[in-house]
Amino acid sequence: DTGVSQDPRHKITKRGQNVTFRCDPISEHNRLYWYRQTLGQGPEFLTYFQNEAQLEKSRLLSDRFSAERPKGSFSTLEIQRTEQGDSAMYLCASSRSQGFGPGTRLTVT
Amino acid sequence: AQKITQTQPGMFVQEKEAVTLDCTYDTSDPSYGLFWYKQPSSGEMIFLIYQGSYDQQNATEGRYSLNFQKARKSANLVISASQLGDSAMYFCALDSGGGADGLTFGKGTHLIIQP
Repeated sequence: DTGVSQDPRHKITKRGQNVTFRCDPISEHNRLYWYRQTLGQGPEFLTYFQNEAQLEKSRLLSDRFSAERPKGSFSTLEIQRTEQGDSAMYLCASSRSQGFGPGTRLTVT
Repeated sequence: AQKITQTQPGMFVQEKEAVTLDCTYDTSDPSYGLFWYKQPSSGEMIFLIYQGSYDQQNATEGRYSLNFQKARKSANLVISASQLGDSAMYFCALDSGGGADGLTFGKGTHLIIQP
């Protein structure tokens, strides 16, 4: 157990619906990363927070995706108007390397 | 641009044998780090071992060791005395550029340990 939690662990939604995921990092870690992992691939970087500031965003993060980290604590990742191509595992990491959460597996039907 | 290449999509190994998982990388940064992770079917990413580009010794962690050859830009993972529980996906990842872009992962190797 890395001390990083994610909620929910699984989400099934219909195309066009909005979904929101939550990540609770290790409390003393000021860095937080979101990754997306599709089937048969390694994780791909989405976005990075240093405390509450979102400092980097991948080109993978389309305008349907938004992430927040209010007060530098937990973070949320929202996907609006979901598409079937959004089906993936969404991983949160607290610190640069070692503290990955268990992930949220999204299925868009 | 950073890149990780894992050329072995899948491997079958007999229990108790040693196994080497290949990883080559590409980066123009002089300072970087290389990681290996294990991902069982449940999905969580489990950190195994880390090697810094300036580390003089190859990293070891229990049954895991990293064969780091800087000139060849390779960072192969060696698992000694494999166990059935080692069956999983294994990912090599590169950390460079100051960390703001997160880690760059390879496509992974699916390791299956046979009894």
